[in-house]
Amino acid sequence: DAGVTQSPTHLIKTRGQHVTLRCSPISGHKSVSWYQQVLGQGPQFIFQYYEKEERGRGNFPDRFSARQFPNYSSELNVNALLLGDSALYLCASSLGGLAYGYTFGSGTRLTVV
Amino acid sequence: TQLLEQSPQFLSIQEGENLTVYCNSSSVFSSLQWYRQEPGEGPVLLVTVVTGGEVKKLKRLTFQFGDARKDSSLHITAAQTGDTGLYLCAGFTGANNLFFGTGTRLTVIP
Repeated sequence: DAGVTQSPTHLIKTRGQHVTLRCSPISGHKSVSWYQQVLGQGPQFIFQYYEKEERGRGNFPDRFSARQFPNYSSELNVNALLLGDSALYLCASSLGGLAYGYTFGSGTRLTVV
Repeated sequence: TQLLEQSPQFLSIQEGENLTVYCNSSSVFSSLQWYRQEPGEGPVLLVTVVTGGEVKKLKRLTFQFGDARKDSSLHITAAQTGDTGLYLCAGFTGANNLFFGTGTRLTVIP
């Protein structure tokens, strides 16, 4: 079975540009969460979606937005990129609920120059 | 802002030694998970603990959830080089969102 797939794997953008990151969850998983991980730190929660509705938002500016599609795949959008947005962006899918673990993709490495 | 603080931040030990990683918070969590992450990969779930005071053992790894559900520990017995990685605790809030700790980078030296 395919795991969580993220695309692209690597991306270089210029300050001020816009970026869209994509995530396909494990088949049957209806919950998708997005995290930002700066080198050497733990992942920071950005968004969670369940059944196409936003179920949580972390402490990130409005430049960050996301959505979930009917097939449960998801996009993370970041506008007006800053150098500090450079990070590994991780997507995780889950069946939903506290007893279930998250399965993570390998992430998208975003570099803003 | 990290709700969960882990200690130590870095740990370097010889193969065969024992170690304990701590995860502390001022918040109460519905449940708590531990993950391990290797370079270039996403975190991989090791265990979920749900009940305050719960202890779970996975081979050489022992996980404990504090009685008040605010803290947890991971103990590794007889560490092996394959245990090297970034260990992350993560807690579910009441809103069912998962927040990660600051991480502990473990290096096991042969």
